Amino acid sequence: GENVEQHPSTLSVQEGDSAVIKCTYSDSASNYFPWYKQELGKRPQLIIDIRSNVGEKKDQRIAVTLNKTAKHFSLHITETQPEDSAVYFCAAKGRGSTLGRLYFGRGTQLTVWP
Amino acid sequence: NAGVTQTPKFRILKIGQSMTLQCAQDMNHNYMYWYRQDPGMGLKLIYYSVGAGITDKGEVPNGYNVSRSTTEDFPLRLELAAPSQTSVYFCASTGQSTVGEAFFGQGTRLTVV
Repeated sequence: GENVEQHPSTLSVQEGDSAVIKCTYSDSASNYFPWYKQELGKRPQLIIDIRSNVGEKKDQRIAVTLNKTAKHFSLHITETQPEDSAVYFCAAKGRGSTLGRLYFGRGTQLTVWP
Repeated sequence: NAGVTQTPKFRILKIGQSMTLQCAQDMNHNYMYWYRQDPGMGLKLIYYSVGAGITDKGEVPNGYNVSRSTTEDFPLRLELAAPSQTSVYFCASTGQSTVGEAFFGQGTRLTVV
């Protein structure tokens, strides 16, 4: 099956700075890579996703990049704000015998200091 | 469209008691998952199911059981509750297409005392 590694496990930035979270995956056949944000006490919710036929996707202050050759993808948050503080999870969707199954990274606790 | 409905929201169990956490989805998703999340930690997969009648173990299945008699429902059974099972439990579902997000239930905060 797929294996998703996520780094760093914790990240602290000053308000206004950028934050980058990186993930690697093992199965070259995986073709869908979502990112989830989990605020304290709430359920994880999708914030952005990317398909393997696209190298980069942006949505206002957040962007995701994908390098299929290197099998890694990253979340970029620019002009961070205190409300960006949360746990972020990357994931990859399996193919083959695990078609459709979602594999999560272990999460990154992002803290944005005012 | 309710998405993923998980009950109860909170529960306190005594050591040795049993309970069932309910999860239902109305999106005709094939995949359903149960995760536990300890304070400050990531999501650990307990069990998952690829469709009615098919279930498989995740990373931390000991002390839990599941069944999937219908596409919609995926209950998680705790037998002989232990303090180590104190956690927040999330149910989630995804479709079988190779793209498409996972939807999470609201979570169940379980305390075993």
